[in-house]
Amino acid sequence: NAGVTQTPKFRVLKTGQSMTLLCAQDMNHEYMYWYRQDPGMGLRLIHYSVGEGTTAKGEVPDGYNVSRLKKQNFLLGLESAAPSQTSVYFCASSYLGNTEAFFGQGTRLTVV
Amino acid sequence: AQKVTQAQTEISVVEKEDVTLDCVYETRDTTYYLFWYKQPPSGELVFLIRRNSFDEQNEISGRYSWNFQKSTSSFNFTITASQVVDSAVYFCALSGGKSGGYQKVTFGIGTKLQVIP
Repeated sequence: NAGVTQTPKFRVLKTGQSMTLLCAQDMNHEYMYWYRQDPGMGLRLIHYSVGEGTTAKGEVPDGYNVSRLKKQNFLLGLESAAPSQTSVYFCASSYLGNTEAFFGQGTRLTVV
Repeated sequence: AQKVTQAQTEISVVEKEDVTLDCVYETRDTTYYLFWYKQPPSGELVFLIRRNSFDEQNEISGRYSWNFQKSTSSFNFTITASQVVDSAVYFCALSGGKSGGYQKVTFGIGTKLQVIP
C-alpha cells in the first residue's frame, strides 16, 4: 500500500540548474499539492491541482512550475534553482479539498 | 485571509505528564475545517483529526483529545499521559471555502513536542 511516493528523497543542486520532483499517488485522489517546509514557517502551499490537466498557484508559486498530465502524478519543476529554494518539499493528495491529506515522505533539496 | 497561530514553538514534558498544544485560528468563512497533523522524526506528516465548523463536540481518541471552541477560535490538542513516541512536531491547519477554495489549506508553524523519559 504505497499511498503517496516522492522521488527523489534527497538532492543537491547548483544555482541555476533545473530539476523535476515527481509525486505519485495510488489512491485515485483528484486533489494533489506541493508544499515546502522551512524552519519557523510551517508548510506553505506552492501549487495544487484539483484534477488531471489542471493546476493552480498556491501561496508561494514563484520559481516553480507544475504539471498534472496523469491523475496519479503531479510534477514540480524548478527551472533555475536558487539558494532560497533550499527546503524540504512535500507532496500530498486528498479525496476532496477539505478532507484529510496524505503526504509523501518529503524531498530534501539543497541549492548551493 | 485565513491564519493559524501556534504560539508554542517548543514544549518539553516528562513522560506521563499531560500536555496541551494550542491552536488559534482566524477566518471569515462560516464553513471551515480544522486539522491536526503529526510529523515524527522520520519526517512524514500523519493525519490525526479533522473537524468542521459546525461540530463543536470534543473528540477523544485514546490518549488524544481535542477541544474545539468557536467562541475563542481555538482548536487545542491534549495528550494525556505522554509517551516518548509522542515526540514530534504537531501542526494545526485550517481549510476555509471563501479563501480561494477548501484546497488552500493554511498550516500553523508547528509545535515541537519533546517527551523526556
